[in-house]
Amino acid sequence: GAVVSQHPSWVICKSGTSVKIECRSLDFQATTMFWYRQFPKQSLMLMATSNEGSKATYEQGVEKDKFLINHASLTLSTLTVTSAHPEDSSFYICSASLSGKNNEQFFGPGTRLTVL
Amino acid sequence: GDSVTQMEGPVTLSEEAFLTINCTYTATGYPSLFWYVQYPGEGLQLLLKATKADDKGSNKGFEATYRKETTSFHLEKGSVQVSDSAVYFCALSPREGNTPLVFGKGTRLSVIA
Repeated sequence: GAVVSQHPSWVICKSGTSVKIECRSLDFQATTMFWYRQFPKQSLMLMATSNEGSKATYEQGVEKDKFLINHASLTLSTLTVTSAHPEDSSFYICSASLSGKNNEQFFGPGTRLTVL
Repeated sequence: GDSVTQMEGPVTLSEEAFLTINCTYTATGYPSLFWYVQYPGEGLQLLLKATKADDKGSNKGFEATYRKETTSFHLEKGSVQVSDSAVYFCALSPREGNTPLVFGKGTRLSVIA
């Protein structure tokens, strides 16, 4: 149980276009999902906390107008990278918390974004 | 603020060697502690966890003990295999509830036959 999926697993896009990444909790409801970004050979950097039915909370330095997060249901959160540029190329990982499981988070497999 | 410090890699070991990856943390209160593993091209998988002092987490031959007195959560395995080659992340969750994890920088392990 407690599986999180992400779609797509990888995407290549042209500079200036927008890309949407989906994060789904497949067998549980997640009131909170987190979006992380991972640069090559580095750790995960928290971008934002996504709460179902409310606005996301962004970390300092993360542009909320560039990285749009929507958490429309208890099983789906989306991250849209708007007007993508090459510096947005990265590995984006979502996670979801399972209430009552000692803060354990379940991670999606990640989405590799390459902006040309 | 809360932070996690883990030994820098890369770590290269021969098969069947003993592994230790050091991890120390700074946190207020009583965090939960985790080790995650990331295989090449994949997302993170929970390897083991401990939620209170003196707890020992274990999985797949890996172990780590929550040491409050030394604020440490070192990862150990008695005999590594080539398939253990991956990046290992130490992390903490600062408090109860839906809070994001604080990660260390990760340690890349390469096991050679």
